[in-house]
Amino acid sequence: DIQLTQSPSSLSASVGDRVTITCRASLGISNDLAWYQQTSGKAPKLLIYAASTLHSGVPSRFSGSGSGTDFTLTISSLQPEDVATYYCQKYDSALALTFGGGTKVEIK
Amino acid sequence: EAQLVQSGAGVKKPGATVRMSCKVSGKNFSDHYIHWVRQAPGKGLEWMGLVDPADGEAIHAEGFQGSVTISAEKSTDTVYMEMSSLRFEDTAVYYCATGGVSGGVVHPFDVWGQGTMLSVSS
Repeated sequence: DIQLTQSPSSLSASVGDRVTITCRASLGISNDLAWYQQTSGKAPKLLIYAASTLHSGVPSRFSGSGSGTDFTLTISSLQPEDVATYYCQKYDSALALTFGGGTKVEIK
Repeated sequence: EAQLVQSGAGVKKPGATVRMSCKVSGKNFSDHYIHWVRQAPGKGLEWMGLVDPADGEAIHAEGFQGSVTISAEKSTDTVYMEMSSLRFEDTAVYYCATGGVSGGVVHPFDVWGQGTMLSVSS
């Protein structure tokens, strides 16, 4: 099975900082890669799909890039409401949808 | 607006069976795969499987084959997830989720249920 490895597992940054989270697949997965945001105690929310397409209603400070095995989620200017855990997910096969291990983002 | 409303779970003893439900509204029930995702306390998200409500065909993730059954009931627009032989490690929040019109293609999950907590305790 294809594994997704996120890095870092946690980070602390200041308001206004640019934040980058990486998701690496053990094998190529084309661009069938999504990013989710989960705040404490809530269900995850879809941020980005097809590696770089912003889901409706998601602030433009969020962006995604990458293809093949390496993908990136970027928050251009970190805001207090962005404190959350972020997950990548591959959805290229109905036989094995996989999530990354998550990256916890905190405010310094 | 599409909505998934979950019910069921609660506290169960080891070895028991639990069935959770996920009622779909605001979408054509047969057009969208419904997925189940598990999250143990303090842990990440784990995909358990999906059902195609159009024909009831289910796919269960490798780690859940044999212990989990996902099914769909068209008459009530409800999807069920049944887990048997519960263990302490099954304590988690369980979510149902769905994405775009399937058409044989899996989509990312843009609608999630509120989650339901299962505690396995003796």
